[in-house]
Amino acid sequence: EAAVTQSPRNKVAVTGGKVTLSCNQTNNHNNMYWYRQDTGHGLRLIHYSYGAGSTEKGDIPDGYKASRPSQENFSLILELATPSQTSVYFCASGDGTENTEVFFGKGTRLTVV
Amino acid sequence: AQKVTQTQTSISVMEKTTVTMDCVYETQDSSYFLFWYKQTASGEIVFLIRQDSYKKENATVGHYSLNFQKPKSSIGLIITATQIEDSAVYFCAMREGHYGNEKITFGAGTKLTIKP
Repeated sequence: EAAVTQSPRNKVAVTGGKVTLSCNQTNNHNNMYWYRQDTGHGLRLIHYSYGAGSTEKGDIPDGYKASRPSQENFSLILELATPSQTSVYFCASGDGTENTEVFFGKGTRLTVV
Repeated sequence: AQKVTQTQTSISVMEKTTVTMDCVYETQDSSYFLFWYKQTASGEIVFLIRQDSYKKENATVGHYSLNFQKPKSSIGLIITATQIEDSAVYFCAMREGHYGNEKITFGAGTKLTIKP
């Protein structure tokens, strides 16, 4: 079973602060993704990566940075957190084959106050 | 740009009946891949079933099946003999098949409630 682990699972941050959400996968998957989930919007793609050292902008990248230092790890960085970034964030990984599914972590609930 | 739309916000049906959830998509590619995922009450998101655009046969996995209508850009999820544990949020997703595209786009989701 594919394993994607997110940390922390819950986070309260202050407006203007820096937040880093971490994701680790043990599947040796090339692709990793960060989504945010909000009511009425479903899952929206923030950033994704093809492999170590690569990051690509998704559909809603503004206010977020991403880092992929290794095959296993993919981080989402909020340099200056805002209340509008309060959401549930999901990391996912996939082997890059176009017709195969991705595997999700359990999510991180971020509240920016 | 790829786009996925689920117009049904929520559906409620009786246990042991059949339910269909709708999904329409937009793409310029001739090759693409469609997926359905389920999010349980605990928040866990799991893959259910997939349809490759070049396949005419509708995919079936257990009591899940798809109604793929390519001319209508539609991919409906059908659940037969529903059970209480099928209550969840269901997401439709698409990946275009052109080289170098790694994006997977999701719809807004449909909340399914199964009543006893």
